[in-house]
Amino acid sequence: GDSVTQMEGPVTLSEEAFLTINCTYTATGYPSLFWYVQYPGEGLQLLLKATKADDKGSNKGFEATYRKETTSFHLEKGSVQVSDSAVYFCALPSLYNTDKLIFGTGTRLQVFP
Amino acid sequence: DSGVTQTPKHLITATGQRVTLRCSPRSGDLSVYWYQQSLDQGLQFLIQYYNGEERAKGNILERFSAQQFPDLHSELNLSSLELGDSALYFCASSVGQGYTEAFFGQGTRLTVV
Repeated sequence: GDSVTQMEGPVTLSEEAFLTINCTYTATGYPSLFWYVQYPGEGLQLLLKATKADDKGSNKGFEATYRKETTSFHLEKGSVQVSDSAVYFCALPSLYNTDKLIFGTGTRLQVFP
Repeated sequence: DSGVTQTPKHLITATGQRVTLRCSPRSGDLSVYWYQQSLDQGLQFLIQYYNGEERAKGNILERFSAQQFPDLHSELNLSSLELGDSALYFCASSVGQGYTEAFFGQGTRLTVV
């Protein structure tokens, strides 16, 4: 079935470092792909999305490119800030029920000054 | 602020008890989703309602039930609670059927003691 695999966390970085959080997926066809972010004590927020292969989603300095050749949707940011500390979830809609999101396990990012 | 309101924010109850979690979706959203977030299971889809009717079921236990009312708010009922039911329960809403962007509430943290 459809699934999402994310790199284990926590990812610990210094401020202004480059960030990559890996996400690979298994799916039939080419579903939309999403990154959600969960800040401490809050709910999930949609960070960015890509709806078709080769699309690049971007928001708040974060980017992710939908790569069908490698079935990946890695999240990147050139220069992280302390305020980016959060848990990041990669997700895709289920093939059999596109209303249902399948989430990865989440990757905790900790940024230190 | 996502526009999705969940109450209460925190709930502590004893094993064997029953609780009700409430969710008010964003204005205009017809779909409501419930997710459970626990340390060992990650984010799991429980159930979805669209305009008052159940549309999809995920990994929801028989002890759990939900409904969506005519005013579109939803309630998740958890009964015969066990220690393992301790988790963060999220409600999300979206405009319609088929995947569209889902907006998440801040969650209800349930602790069963």
